[in-house]
Amino acid sequence: AQKVTQAQTEISVVEKEDVTLDCVYETRDTTYYLFWYKQPPSGELVFLIRRNSFDEQNEISGRYSWNFQKSTSSFNFTITASQVVDSAVYFCALGQFQGAQKLVFGQGTRLTINP
Amino acid sequence: DVKVTQSSRYLVKRTGEKVFLECVQDMDHENMFWYRQDPGLGLRLIYFSYDVKMKEKGDIPEGYSVSREKKERFSLILESASTNQTSMYLCASTTSNDRLFTDTQYFGPGTRLTVL
Repeated sequence: AQKVTQAQTEISVVEKEDVTLDCVYETRDTTYYLFWYKQPPSGELVFLIRRNSFDEQNEISGRYSWNFQKSTSSFNFTITASQVVDSAVYFCALGQFQGAQKLVFGQGTRLTINP
Repeated sequence: DVKVTQSSRYLVKRTGEKVFLECVQDMDHENMFWYRQDPGLGLRLIYFSYDVKMKEKGDIPEGYSVSREKKERFSLILESASTNQTSMYLCASTTSNDRLFTDTQYFGPGTRLTVL
């Protein structure tokens, strides 16, 4: 069975601190995709990154970085020098093709950046 | 820019009512999805559709049905609303049903449904 666990329900930090959001996944498949989405207060999920199971290179995009480790089945997300605008709920998701595209989401982590 | 719109941001209904949640996308996407979002559970897939008049059950289809008569519109129907269907409902769409997840799913703003 596919499963995504985001053990951190809520995180609160002061602006400019670095913060890491954890994501652990379970799957028996060798081909899969991992995603991070951001859900600001407006409600719609915003796509941040997609990573396939054959590409373990870490990725950096501005203040955002992602650490994919197959050995520990983790795909963690770090925000460097956090800002108030980073406050949102963040979801990690596992994508597998089972006759159709299916995304399995984690529980989400509510991140609050305090000024 | 892809736009996915949902007919209502907030909806209050009574137990037993028939409820329609509408979703429209303007980018000619083939695939459309309905999720519900609950605290501590993340998003769970209710139904999806990869073509007009086609539908597939997701992980939690019980108590729901869907309709896709036109490519741009995907409706979620609660035949007889119950209090345990109080939730946030999110619609999403994507271009094609490809194995590589080449295109992301684009989400609407959600409908917060309260069933009294």
